[in-house]
Amino acid sequence: ETGVTQTPRHLVMGMTNKKSLKCEQHLGHNAMYWYKQSAKKPLELMFVYNFKEQTENNSVPSRFSPECPNSSHLFLHLHTLQPEDSALYLCASSQIGTGSQHFGDGTRLSIL
Amino acid sequence: KNQVEQSPQSLIILEGKNCTLQCNYTVSPFSNLRWYKQDTGRGPVSLTIMTFSENTKSNGRYTATLDADTKQSSLHITASQLSDSASYICVVSLDSNYQLIWGAGTKLIIKP
Repeated sequence: ETGVTQTPRHLVMGMTNKKSLKCEQHLGHNAMYWYKQSAKKPLELMFVYNFKEQTENNSVPSRFSPECPNSSHLFLHLHTLQPEDSALYLCASSQIGTGSQHFGDGTRLSIL
Repeated sequence: KNQVEQSPQSLIILEGKNCTLQCNYTVSPFSNLRWYKQDTGRGPVSLTIMTFSENTKSNGRYTATLDADTKQSSLHITASQLSDSASYICVVSLDSNYQLIWGAGTKLIIKP
């Protein structure tokens, strides 16, 4: 039990599809994050939400659209993705000021 | 440029043996350094965290060291077990929140 749950665990989609990734944290944290992890590369921070407000967007293409309805839930809406978007997408949460991030097990995304 | 370099990229050792993983960083300002373990198909899990003033931190068979002068850290694993097979990621924090610089990780394989 990681405290951070991501669904689905695996997703295969075509380039014209629209899908959403979901993340839920049960740790009472007030910050949530989306990361992209590609093979043999460092984790790439995509988005940060503090108290439901987006505070970071690391030049992520608009085909990725985050949504944070409350401090426990985070979504990543996907549309018109490219093959190079195939990767492991990780969600994390933390308590602001502690810096210690707790990760979910990720969604393995494959774009056909 | 803020960077974290890890070596080796991959390592294979026999069960029961010790090993040491290296992390060199060029990050400023420096807040803390963490080591994460990431099992295949899972999210990263924190092993140790060290601030500037700490030079060693242990978590069971895992011992991390930090030399802030040379900007080097190492993770030593004692009496390796099959369950230690994973990627080990070094992360340097710029501040106490989400400004993290990630290494690409060392993939460790323990053979029986």
